[in-house]
Amino acid sequence: DSGVTQTPKHLITATGQRVTLRCSPRSGDLSVYWYQQSLDQGLQFLIQYYNGEERAKGNILERFSAQQFPDLHSELNLSSLELGDSALYFCASSVGVGGDVSSYNEQFFGPGTRLTVL
Amino acid sequence: TQLLEQSPQFLSIQEGENLTVYCNSSSVFSSLQWYRQEPGEGPVLLVTVVTGGEVKKLKRLTFQFGDARKDSSLHITAAQPGDTGLYLCAGVSRSNYKLTFGKGTLLTVNP
Repeated sequence: DSGVTQTPKHLITATGQRVTLRCSPRSGDLSVYWYQQSLDQGLQFLIQYYNGEERAKGNILERFSAQQFPDLHSELNLSSLELGDSALYFCASSVGVGGDVSSYNEQFFGPGTRLTVL
Repeated sequence: TQLLEQSPQFLSIQEGENLTVYCNSSSVFSSLQWYRQEPGEGPVLLVTVVTGGEVKKLKRLTFQFGDARKDSSLHITAAQPGDTGLYLCAGVSRSNYKLTFGKGTLLTVNP
């Protein structure tokens, strides 16, 4: 158990809909990362928040947005869903924003949310 | 864009065999991490290699970082069914410490 929790575990919805995925980081971790994993693209970084502020953006579509709340939990909002958005979505957390000390870059992953868009 | 190529993509072997998985890039990384992911779960960090040429051992798993810090290998000795899973390498960027993941090697060890 990594200490990172994600809900829901599975989500089935229709094209055009909007969903919200939730993540609670490990106790004490200030950074939250969101990743998308698909068979053809692998694990793709979407976005990072640190202590409530957006820190880095990756391959995140404009239809997707995220936020981190004062209690440090994070939500990923996916809207106008398309068939191609079907994937595993992982949240990870780390103590800080990374650094030259290798342990600063260790990320702990949650169990993921499997999103199926029909 | 930093890319990591992993090979082979799929590997199916018998219990007791040895295997090596490779992770290659044209970019230099601050460090490189190896994760294992089992079905229905998130990736779990196995090891981080930091120094060029560094070798780390974790029981039957041996990890090596290339001298130029662009590539890495994972060698498993006497593989067991419990080693089955998706092995992912991730490079840590020197500029912003962001992780870039390879697409992974799916290992199946048959009893």
